[in-house]
Amino acid sequence: KQEVTQIPAALSVPEGENLVLNCSFTDSAIYNLQWFRQDPGKGLTSLLLIQSSQREQTSGRLNASLDKSSGRSTLYIAASQPGDSATYLCAVYTGANSKLTFGKGITLSVRP
Amino acid sequence: GAVVSQHPSRVICKSGTSVKIECRSLDFQATTMFWYRQFPKKSLMLMATSNEGSKATYEQGVEKDKFLINHASLTLSTLTVTSAHPEDSSFYICSAHRGNSGNTIYFGEGSWLTVV
Repeated sequence: KQEVTQIPAALSVPEGENLVLNCSFTDSAIYNLQWFRQDPGKGLTSLLLIQSSQREQTSGRLNASLDKSSGRSTLYIAASQPGDSATYLCAVYTGANSKLTFGKGITLSVRP
Repeated sequence: GAVVSQHPSRVICKSGTSVKIECRSLDFQATTMFWYRQFPKKSLMLMATSNEGSKATYEQGVEKDKFLINHASLTLSTLTVTSAHPEDSSFYICSAHRGNSGNTIYFGEGSWLTVV
């Protein structure tokens, strides 16, 4: 059974810091891994999708890496801003038309 | 723009009543949709897999008679919370898989249900 872990559950950093959010999963047989953002009271926004054959994806100040063999992914946020404050979820996808398995998320607070 | 529309985004209902949440794929046919539920400070948990034209597949511990799922067309799945109780208050979100591209998943905006 796939399990996804995100530690720590919460993180508070000053504005401008570069930071890394970690995600680990137990079963390396995945199709892809996604990072999502969830704002309070809102739905999910997909940030980055990494296919199993890829090692990283970049979008703006965000960079996500994937090490499938070790069951790890990181989301790197450069020059953090207060607007980055949200919960960041990672989820792994294990097969065509299968479900996503989510981590519990990391609640990030960027202090002005 | 959104490719999966979920409605309503917020709903408040009285205990004992039923509430229906819709999930529509706007410009593609989705043979499979998934319904997730999120409790406060918890991860999203799969409730059921909705298959067009057949019965939904429920995850262990999810009451199928309480959470009715109907996937009557290739673009619409509905989740009905029957005889709602305050403990059913939660965030419900659907996802739809786009055609044969099984690993392209789109999420609805989610629905916040409050049962009073």
